[in-house]
Amino acid sequence: EVELVESGGGLVQPGGSLRLSCAASGFGFSGHWMSWVRQAPGKGLEWLANIKQDGSATNYMGSVKGRFTISRDNTKKSLYLQMNNLRAEDTAVYFCVRMPSFDHWGQGTLVTVSS
Amino acid sequence: HAGLTQPPSVSKGLRQTATLACTGDSNNVGDQGAAWLQQHQGHPPKLLFYLNGSRPSGISERFSPSRSGNTAFLTITALQPEDEASYYCSPWDKKLNAWLFGGGTKLTVL
Repeated sequence: EVELVESGGGLVQPGGSLRLSCAASGFGFSGHWMSWVRQAPGKGLEWLANIKQDGSATNYMGSVKGRFTISRDNTKKSLYLQMNNLRAEDTAVYFCVRMPSFDHWGQGTLVTVSS
Repeated sequence: HAGLTQPPSVSKGLRQTATLACTGDSNNVGDQGAAWLQQHQGHPPKLLFYLNGSRPSGISERFSPSRSGNTAFLTITALQPEDEASYYCSPWDKKLNAWLFGGGTKLTVL
């Protein structure tokens, strides 16, 4: 069974940093593009970034480009999101998602940016 | 995403048919169509249809995708109470090199 488990969320002050992790199991992790998607409280879905199977290519949503970095470690079957210079508007549940087409989702981890 | 439009809400009666629209442009919906996802309150989204229109296993045949020009559609027949949820379309935008999400449509089954 495909399982994606996010961790690393929490409360952080504006301007701070967090690193989210996602542990994958139940499928060939190295064979899939992966994405991070977030959802602010009461709002819709927002795609943030994706990364190719071998990590050689990444794409980012405009508003996080330069602040967020997606990476992966196929030996550990793990996906990461390094988030720097966090802002209040980054407050959201962050989901780790298997591609193509967002076919499996984790339960999400909540990131709250507040002083 | 400002360029991807879904109606915020749709209400239909039990056993009726709902057709949800998602309008983009030639760089996204008009190019390859859109994936469709369903999200019940308090749960992660669930994929209903891949970008290529194929259905994951376990998805009811009451759901079907279609496209006309720059607009993608999700049709749900014989509406059931469990279909009450938010529905999101998601195309790949070849100009932005980014996945987009529509704002979502909240479907109410009366």
